[in-house]
Amino acid sequence: NAGVTQTPKFQVLKTGQSMTLQCAQDMNHEYMSWYRQDPGMGLRLIHYSVGAGITDQGEVPNGYNVSRSTTEDFPLRLLSAAPSQTSVYFCASSQRDTQYFGPGTRLTVL
Amino acid sequence: GQQVMQIPQYQHVQEGEDFTTYCNSSTTLSNIQWYKQRPGGHPVFLIQLVKSGEVKKQKRLTFQFGEAKKNSSLHITATQTTDVGTYFCASELGNQGGKLIFGQGTELSVKP
Repeated sequence: NAGVTQTPKFQVLKTGQSMTLQCAQDMNHEYMSWYRQDPGMGLRLIHYSVGAGITDQGEVPNGYNVSRSTTEDFPLRLLSAAPSQTSVYFCASSQRDTQYFGPGTRLTVL
Repeated sequence: GQQVMQIPQYQHVQEGEDFTTYCNSSTTLSNIQWYKQRPGGHPVFLIQLVKSGEVKKQKRLTFQFGEAKKNSSLHITATQTTDVGTYFCASELGNQGGKLIFGQGTELSVKP
């Protein structure tokens, strides 16, 4: 099992550009989540999903969209990138309790 | 909304010294999870506590969940350089699986 995979590992965007961060898991987990990590602020939940076709907002959803068309994939879309979205983004999956994190995407918005 | 406060933000210790990080919430928590993140890495699950007053051990690590289920601690005995990293506590929001709120983390550095 590959576990949770994320692409790309690094990305630089200009303000106003859009992009999609990819996340996939091969553990057949129901739950998937997106977090952003900023220095001194821990991990903050952006969006999460409890199954295919079901998503909900977390603590900091503004500027991000998600969809879950399959159990395996949970992409995160930045609609119009802003410098405040410069961060490390982690995707995670779980079957209720233990969350398994992907390796992260380091995003810089200029 | 529900918040989990974690202290201290940083801890620098000499190898062999003990280390403790604390998490506190103003509301009762359904459970508490602990994660470790090595520098440049991703968070890795360590343990989950569910019961009031629960204590669990993993080698040199001791995890406690308070009697009122509003606080938790992680204690490392005789730190080693391999313990370096950031330790996070987390709890489920509204008892909703997969929806975690994290503490700010405690960054541990160990001087050999």
